[in-house]
Amino acid sequence: DVKVTQSSRYLVKRTGEKVFLECVQDMDHENMFWYRQDPGLGLRLIYFSYDVKMKEKGDIPEGYSVSREKKERFSLILESASTNQTSMYLCASSSPPGTATWEQYFGPGTRLTVT
Amino acid sequence: RKEVEQDPGPFNVPEGATVAFNCTYSNSASQSFFWYRQDCRKEPKLLMSVYSSGNEDGRFTAQLNRASQYISLLIRDSKLSDSATYLCVVTDTGGFKTIFGAGTRLFVKA
Repeated sequence: DVKVTQSSRYLVKRTGEKVFLECVQDMDHENMFWYRQDPGLGLRLIYFSYDVKMKEKGDIPEGYSVSREKKERFSLILESASTNQTSMYLCASSSPPGTATWEQYFGPGTRLTVT
Repeated sequence: RKEVEQDPGPFNVPEGATVAFNCTYSNSASQSFFWYRQDCRKEPKLLMSVYSSGNEDGRFTAQLNRASQYISLLIRDSKLSDSATYLCVVTDTGGFKTIFGAGTRLFVKA
């Protein structure tokens, strides 16, 4: 059974703090993704990674960075948290596009509040 | 214009009803198409892929019209357990960049 886990379900941080969100998958997937989900806007792609140490910007990378040192782990970093980064953050993983079982499996999400 | 647009709903239907969701996308070069389901306070999960020839999975039928850049999902004989938000998903030609619609909320009532 595919499992994507995220380090925290709920997180409260202060403006200006550095925030780390961790994601781990156990399916040996090459691809990993970070999204944020906001009411009325749906899921928006922040960054994705198709291999260890590789990363690509998504639609809204500003204010975020990522790290992928190991295949199973993909971290999202908020260098200096701001109130407009209050959101639900969802991590996902998948096998490469075009493979028979290509779908994105999501973690349970981290509800981040920046005060 | 949003890259993927859906009617936000909510759709309120009785059990047993047939309900249809529509989705339009702006990038004609989009490669792959999916419907995901998201229950309240849960993560999205794949419901079904969408193929040009149309595909069916039990009570669910998905259609793709590339010429009109339009995707649909039909749910027949609605169940209470179908209540959820349905997300239309489109990927780019590389297959990595994934665009989610904002979702259509469905409430099925007894």
